[in-house]
Amino acid sequence: GESVGLHLPTLSVQEGDNSIINCAYSNSASDYFIWYKQESGKGPQFIIDIRSNMDKRQGQRVTVLLNKTVKHLSLQIAATQPGDSAVYFCAEIHSGTYKYIFGTGTRLKVLA
Amino acid sequence: GAGVSQSPSNKVTEKGKDVELRCDPISGHTALYWYRQSLGQGLEFLIYFQGNSAPDKSGLPSDRFSAERTGGSVSTLTIQRTQQEDSAVYLCASSDRAGTGFGYTFGSGTRLTVV
Repeated sequence: GESVGLHLPTLSVQEGDNSIINCAYSNSASDYFIWYKQESGKGPQFIIDIRSNMDKRQGQRVTVLLNKTVKHLSLQIAATQPGDSAVYFCAEIHSGTYKYIFGTGTRLKVLA
Repeated sequence: GAGVSQSPSNKVTEKGKDVELRCDPISGHTALYWYRQSLGQGLEFLIYFQGNSAPDKSGLPSDRFSAERTGGSVSTLTIQRTQQEDSAVYLCASSDRAGTGFGYTFGSGTRLTVV
């Protein structure tokens, strides 16, 4: 299907290399963060989350780092594979609210 | 159901016609959200449901847009007198509860094209 976000920032990495996708979040009161992956023609899919009382969380091949001092979130993907090609969004929310704020997204292209 | 289901997956309509987009959330999820995703843009919030009530409709772009939810389950987003700028992917998401610690599960979206 048609790709979303044709004008998004793009990160191109060689297959097998590590990828780092960055996100600057907006609200210093946000206390929960999620990274989503969106493949072409599909809805965003949950990858990993982190709470504000942590600065690092690891999943399978993915690591999320949180730097509250500079309001920065990053997603690290180890040994990037062709199936990792997608648009990645960060999302933030703070206690007492019900609505996530989404970043604009970064397109990851994996080069064979 | 096992996931969030949206229908139709694709809709092409003529300018000026009305369209209805359907979302069937995960069974038991009380929170339901509609977002719009235009080409080159991020996710634009439209409306939030808690049960059948919509405490936040602030994202609806105009009075041509409306949504309802019945039985705490299925939701319908209606766009009247469609315009070309309404062309986008409309995403529905549901959550067990709203707020911190409860992520969304998204549907695959309805791609709306107004010609």
